[in-house]
Amino acid sequence: DTEVTQTPKHLVMGMTNKKSLKCEQHMGHRAMYWYKQKAKKPPELMFVYSYEKLSINESVPSRFSPECPNSSLLNLHLHALQPEDSALYLCASSLTPGGNQPQHFGDGTRLSIL
Amino acid sequence: GENVEQHPSTLSVQEGDSAVIKCTYSDSASNYFPWYKQELGKRPQLIIDIRSNVGEKKDQRIAVTLNKTAKHFSLHITETQPEDSAVYFCAAPRNQGGKLIFGQGTELSVKP
Repeated sequence: DTEVTQTPKHLVMGMTNKKSLKCEQHMGHRAMYWYKQKAKKPPELMFVYSYEKLSINESVPSRFSPECPNSSLLNLHLHALQPEDSALYLCASSLTPGGNQPQHFGDGTRLSIL
Repeated sequence: GENVEQHPSTLSVQEGDSAVIKCTYSDSASNYFPWYKQELGKRPQLIIDIRSNVGEKKDQRIAVTLNKTAKHFSLHITETQPEDSAVYFCAAPRNQGGKLIFGQGTELSVKP
């Protein structure tokens, strides 16, 4: 089954809070991605993990900190976010890295910064 | 680097009509072209993809065509239904790394 699971589905936090987004897949995929998406805009790549190592950081502010504890899990740690960080955060995975494999998305976490 | 342009940005059709969305890309080395459908409040869902060694691929009412010479690929939806209403994104890989470059999206509205 092609399924990427993200928690929580919704998150409201203040600018001084620390929270984490979680992503899990059990398809044996070795590449995992974090995207940020604003309404009716395309997903914007934030980070890529290839074989559990960070391979791409698209110049994301340090208030976003990714972590890949193992091949099935991906976390995004959030700290001192700004109102403009409010968006849908999508996790995706693909069998291998490289951009030429299908990427399967989770349902996302809708994040609101107060 | 790769640049992907998608047209039109909005498309309104009557139920039963066909819809065509076109994307152009800049990197002649690109070899994989997926299409995603995103319904309101839901995740992008891969609906069809094509690799550069074929010119056309069909899956029921959906087809994708690829013209490598002109560097464009198109999504064709026949016999449209209201449930086809969504935002559709095309994408192409960046030459290096694991990045997919997405088009700006087409908001398709199918009117009953």
